[in-house]
Amino acid sequence: AQTVTQSQPEMSVQEAETVTLSCTYDTSESDYYLFWYKQPPSRQMILVIRQEAYKQQNATENRFSVNFQKAAKSFSLKISDSQLGDAAMYFCAYRLNYGGSQGNLIFGKGTKLSVKP
Amino acid sequence: NAGVTQTPKFQVLKTGQSMTLQCAQDMNHEYMSWYRQDPGMGLRLIHYSVGAGITDQGEVPNGYNVSRSTTEDFPLRLLSAAPSQTSVYFCASRLSGTGGREQYFGPGTRLTVT
Repeated sequence: AQTVTQSQPEMSVQEAETVTLSCTYDTSESDYYLFWYKQPPSRQMILVIRQEAYKQQNATENRFSVNFQKAAKSFSLKISDSQLGDAAMYFCAYRLNYGGSQGNLIFGKGTKLSVKP
Repeated sequence: NAGVTQTPKFQVLKTGQSMTLQCAQDMNHEYMSWYRQDPGMGLRLIHYSVGAGITDQGEVPNGYNVSRSTTEDFPLRLLSAAPSQTSVYFCASRLSGTGGREQYFGPGTRLTVT
């Protein structure tokens, strides 16, 4: 069964600095998606970034980028120039590019990010 | 588009009561799902549906029932509420197949069972 592990329950970063959140996953499949979701205190789940496993190039979205290491099954999120609004829970998630039950999102347990002014 | 909507936003139940959490989407998504979020546990899948009339169990289905009579709606029923069902519940939807790269989440329902 696929699993997603986030080994850092909490992280802290100074405003304007850079922080990296870690995520590893376990799968024997080759065609899948990886996601980072942000959950602010409002509880809304917000998609931050998505990576298709077949793409070698790391995804970027403005200040957010990933380091996708397929062989190592690692998918870390880098937040550059951290802002107070980045403070939130961050969830790493995996999904097979497939229908039926295997197309369900599998989440890690989350990393709570604090941003210090 | 309203996206994915959930009602109610908050609910308090007594042990043994039943209720239905409503979920609707207006994006014509085939795939819909329900998750629960507990502290330190991430989101766990309760039930999901790949289309009208088709539902299946996820990781934590016990105590919950679902049906999918239309593409738009996917209600979650708590048959006899227990304190262990105190949680935040999220409904989500996406297109099926390889076109459904992004999953859209509702705003969540905070349920407390006393």
